[in-house]
Amino acid sequence: GQQLNQSPQSMFIQEGEDVSMNCTSSSIFNTWLWYKQDPGEGPVLLIALYKAGELTSNGRLTAQFGITRKDSFLNISASIPSDVGIYFCAGQPPGGADGLTFGKGTHLIIQP
Amino acid sequence: DAGVIQSPRHEVTEMGQEVTLRCKPISGHDYLFWYRQTMMRGLELLIYFNNNVPIDDSGMPEDRFSAKMPNASFSTLKIQPSEPRDSAVYFCASSLRLIRTDTQYFGPGTRLTVL
Repeated sequence: GQQLNQSPQSMFIQEGEDVSMNCTSSSIFNTWLWYKQDPGEGPVLLIALYKAGELTSNGRLTAQFGITRKDSFLNISASIPSDVGIYFCAGQPPGGADGLTFGKGTHLIIQP
Repeated sequence: DAGVIQSPRHEVTEMGQEVTLRCKPISGHDYLFWYRQTMMRGLELLIYFNNNVPIDDSGMPEDRFSAKMPNASFSTLKIQPSEPRDSAVYFCASSLRLIRTDTQYFGPGTRLTVL
């Protein structure tokens, strides 16, 4: 099946810094989603992208659906301590019959 | 809305025992998904239902795993017999319409440990 390559695997940053992470696939996706998971909880949807080239913001978060439909990125501006967690990209292939395929996650750690 | 509800939150059992995980989707949602999360493999889709009917169970690891959805508000994932390699966090998620990929809402998960 499809695989999503998410990078970086982990990030150690200072509070206030901007963060950028991305996800690539060898095949096209119709939908890209970005989730955040806190310890002991399920993933929570941050941003959903449905159209190639789409750029969407949610507060300090901005995500884009790549023109080739094979990639997406997530940016977090001016990071704060509560941004700590694991960020997952997820995609749905054409046809929408396969549920979601998830990346392995980017572990964000913020040093005060 | 209460969100997706899963029980138990933690389960510790011995190898060979039967394990049953439970899920209550968000009311009105017509899709229900079971995922498994491990450090090695990340989040993997096991099976999903539409209107209580299993649509794709190709992600179910082997015959020891089975899932049912007897009605729109309840689903179970059963492992019989359980093995140590089944230790993982199992998530249930629900959504309203798969075609447009309306958001999948995840439950808090069940952390399963098989000794």
